Amino acid sequence: KAGVTQTPRYLIKTRGQQVTLSCSPISGHRSVSWYQQTPGQGLQFLFEYFSETQRNKGNFPGRFSGRQFSNSRSEMNVSTLELGDSALYLCASSGRDYNEQFFGPGTRLTVL
Amino acid sequence: TQLLEQSPQFLSIQEGENLTVYCNSSSVFSSLQWYRQEPGEGPVLLVTVVTGGEVKKLKRLTFQFGDARKDSSLHITAAQPGDTGLYLCADRFNDYKLSFGAGTTVTVRA
Repeated sequence: KAGVTQTPRYLIKTRGQQVTLSCSPISGHRSVSWYQQTPGQGLQFLFEYFSETQRNKGNFPGRFSGRQFSNSRSEMNVSTLELGDSALYLCASSGRDYNEQFFGPGTRLTVL
Repeated sequence: TQLLEQSPQFLSIQEGENLTVYCNSSSVFSSLQWYRQEPGEGPVLLVTVVTGGEVKKLKRLTFQFGDARKDSSLHITAAQPGDTGLYLCADRFNDYKLSFGAGTTVTVRA
């Protein structure tokens, strides 16, 4: 069974630009969560989608948004990038057993 | 807001030595999880503990959950270079959201 995949793995953008990151969950998993990981703040929850609906949201500004498609693939978008948005963005999927989330390798975003 | 504190922040030991890392919460854990994250990868779940006083063993790893369910420790016996990584504790508030500690970076030297 293939794991969670994220594309691209690395991304360099400049301030003010926008970016879209993609996540493909494990086949059969309908829940996808997104996290931001930085050295200073650690891992922080962004949002979670299930069956194309956002079920839970963390404390991030509206510049961070996401969506989920009917095949459970998910995208997150960050608009008007700031230097502080430089981070590793991780997505995780879970199936019937919500007790375990399977993480992808992440997308390393650098904002210059 | 729950605060998860992990200590120490960094730990470097020689292969074959033992190590213990700690996780403390400002409030009672709903469901405590331990993860390990290797460089360039996402976190991988090691264990979930729910019951106060619970002890779980996975090969050379021993997880203890405090009776008051506000603290936990992870002990590794005879550490190996493959144990190198970032060890994270997390609380599962509900089915959908994890709150993580800052982690302990463990380096095991060969």
